Amino acid sequence: EPEVTQTPSHQVTQMGQEVILRCVPISNHLYFYWYRQILGQKVEFLVSFYNNEISEKSEIFDDQFSVERPDGSNFTLKIRSTKLEDSAMYFCASSEWVGTGGYEQYFGPGTRLTVT
Amino acid sequence: TQLLEQSPQFLSIQEGENLTVYCNSSSVFSSLQWYRQEPGEGPVLLVTVVTGGEVKKLKRLTFQFGDARKDSSLHITAAQPGDTGLYLCAGLDSWGKLQFGAGTQVVVTP
Repeated sequence: EPEVTQTPSHQVTQMGQEVILRCVPISNHLYFYWYRQILGQKVEFLVSFYNNEISEKSEIFDDQFSVERPDGSNFTLKIRSTKLEDSAMYFCASSEWVGTGGYEQYFGPGTRLTVT
Repeated sequence: TQLLEQSPQFLSIQEGENLTVYCNSSSVFSSLQWYRQEPGEGPVLLVTVVTGGEVKKLKRLTFQFGDARKDSSLHITAAQPGDTGLYLCAGLDSWGKLQFGAGTQVVVTP
């Protein structure tokens, strides 16, 4: 069964450093998303991406964040200068249009980002 | 921001008992998705409900979408220890992003 994959599974970085989180969405999916989950809190939407551009982004997704689809398979989230409060699980998700009613989003296993 | 409230936050039952988890909002969603999440892992999609009043069954799990598409419930019949986990509801808004509830932690003891 096709699945979303993410690398690395765990990333430790120092405050102020740049990190790139990588995702390989399901191959025939056209919509891509990043969510994050701070320990003990809800899963929160960060950004959606379609047709090589951002469709929507949340207030969390400020100028320190960027997304890219560098080739036909990868989807990346970059944090330019990490802060302690960026420590969280980051989930990539993908979906294809599933007709009226919306998209079914499938999540990857997550990358645990720890900023020290 | 559309908010989803899940109740209860925690549910502990014995094997063989039934349970119901609720997901409520004051807003209408185009669809609602139920996920299950294990510690340290990503949410795994269980079901999507789209039409008001819709009922979907997945073995011993029954999902219902309210007529007004603002609320949903998950009912588990004859719960088993393998049903233990965090159950999340997530509403899909008009722009394709999911708003998650805080989850209900279900523990089924043998």
